[in-house]
Amino acid sequence: DVVMTQSPLSLPVTLGQPASISCRSTQSLVYSDGYTYLSWFLQRPGQSPRRLIYLVSRRDSGVPDRFSGSGSGTDFTLKISRVEAEDVGLYYCFQGAHWPLTFGGGTRVEIK
Amino acid sequence: EVQLLESGGGLVQPGGSLRLSCAASGFTFRIYDMSWVRQAPGQGLEWVSSIRGGGPERFYADSVKGRFTISRDNSKNTLYLQMNSLRPEDTAVYYCAQGLRLIENWGQGTLVTVSS
Repeated sequence: DVVMTQSPLSLPVTLGQPASISCRSTQSLVYSDGYTYLSWFLQRPGQSPRRLIYLVSRRDSGVPDRFSGSGSGTDFTLKISRVEAEDVGLYYCFQGAHWPLTFGGGTRVEIK
Repeated sequence: EVQLLESGGGLVQPGGSLRLSCAASGFTFRIYDMSWVRQAPGQGLEWVSSIRGGGPERFYADSVKGRFTISRDNSKNTLYLQMNSLRPEDTAVYYCAQGLRLIENWGQGTLVTVSS
C-alpha cells in the first residue's frame, strides 16, 4: 500500500502568518494517464471534509487563493499564505493513483 | 448544487448487518464513479470502497473485502453499502463521496456503531 506521511502533526499558527504542510508518498503518484493524483482536504470541526486542491495544484471552485498546492512525484506541499480563523481544522492529503486509495494521517492547524 | 445524503447507520451487534444508502442529486449520477470513506471516532479518514459509474468494476479495502458490498441504482440516483459480519473496529462515520481517483464532494456522514 502507498503510505502517505504528513508533517507536522500539529501546526499552531498566528493569524495572518503563513503555514505549510508536507505530504510524502512511498510511491510516485503519477498515474498511467500522466496526471498526478494528489488532493488536499480540509475537515473543519464537526464537518465533513471539503476538497481544496486536486491534481497537486488545481484549486477547487470557491477556495480562496491563499491556498496553494505544489510538488511532484512523491513530495507535496500545501501552503496557506495568510492564515485566517476559518482555516482551523484537520488537513488531509489523499492519493488516487494506486489501490488501495489512501489518506495521510492528518495535520491539525490551530491558532496560537 | 451537489447533494449526497447518507442514511441507514445505527447500533448493531458484532456479527450483524447494516445497509447504508446515499441519495445523490445535483449531478448526473450514472456517469460518476462513487466511493465510501469512513472515519473512526477521533481518527483519520480511511477509504472503504468505490464503484465505477459506467461499468461493473468495484474496489474494496482489504479490511472490508468479503464482508462489504458496494452497489448502485442509477435509476434511483442511489449508492449503497451492504455491510455484513460487522466488527467493533468497523465503528465509524461513513461518508458517501463523489468520485474515485479524484474524490470531490462528500455527504454529511452516517454513524455506524458496532457494539454488544
